[in-house]
Amino acid sequence: GNSVTQMEGPVTLSEEAFLTINCTYTATGYPSLFWYVQYPGEGLQLLLKATKADDKGSNKGFEATYRKETTSFHLEKGSVQVSDSAVYFCALSNTGYSTLTFGKGTMLLVSP
Amino acid sequence: EPEVTQTPSHQVTQMGQEVILRCVPISNHLYFYWYRQILGQKVEFLVSFYNNEISEKSEIFDDQFSVERPDGSNFTLKIRSTKLEDSAMYFCASRRREDTEAFFGQGTRLTVV
Repeated sequence: GNSVTQMEGPVTLSEEAFLTINCTYTATGYPSLFWYVQYPGEGLQLLLKATKADDKGSNKGFEATYRKETTSFHLEKGSVQVSDSAVYFCALSNTGYSTLTFGKGTMLLVSP
Repeated sequence: EPEVTQTPSHQVTQMGQEVILRCVPISNHLYFYWYRQILGQKVEFLVSFYNNEISEKSEIFDDQFSVERPDGSNFTLKIRSTKLEDSAMYFCASRRREDTEAFFGQGTRLTVV
């Protein structure tokens, strides 16, 4: 079956540091891959997505590249801000945007 | 901006009691979902709902669970007789079409004591 594994948190960084949150997956076929973010007190929001191998999703300075050979979709940002503090979820779907399989989530804490 | 709204934000209930979690999806959305996250574990799919019926459910979604869209705006998850292991954050989601993004609510934290 499908599964998603994310690095354990919390990840604690200073403002302007480089961020990487690792995500690997197991799936049949060619899934779509997603990163969702949950800011304190809010719902899960789609941050970025990639639907086929070598696609790069990007939004708000965050990027992730769909690597089929390593079954990975690592999230990166070159310079984090305090406002990026949130929980980040990696997810996949075999059917477009339908039923999602999530990882555990990784909390990011950015200090000034 | 339209959003999915869940109430209450936190509910505490005694083991064996029935609980209803409420969600108001975005008004023109047609597909509805419940997910849950037990503390420290993965977000897990429970059930999807379309055209007034369940379209898919996970093995977690047993006879103790039910969903309903009673009035065309609310989408509810009922747990008939809660167990301690039902304690989790429950997320509702909705989307407009099959090829569009799902929007999630902020979650209801259910604590069974």
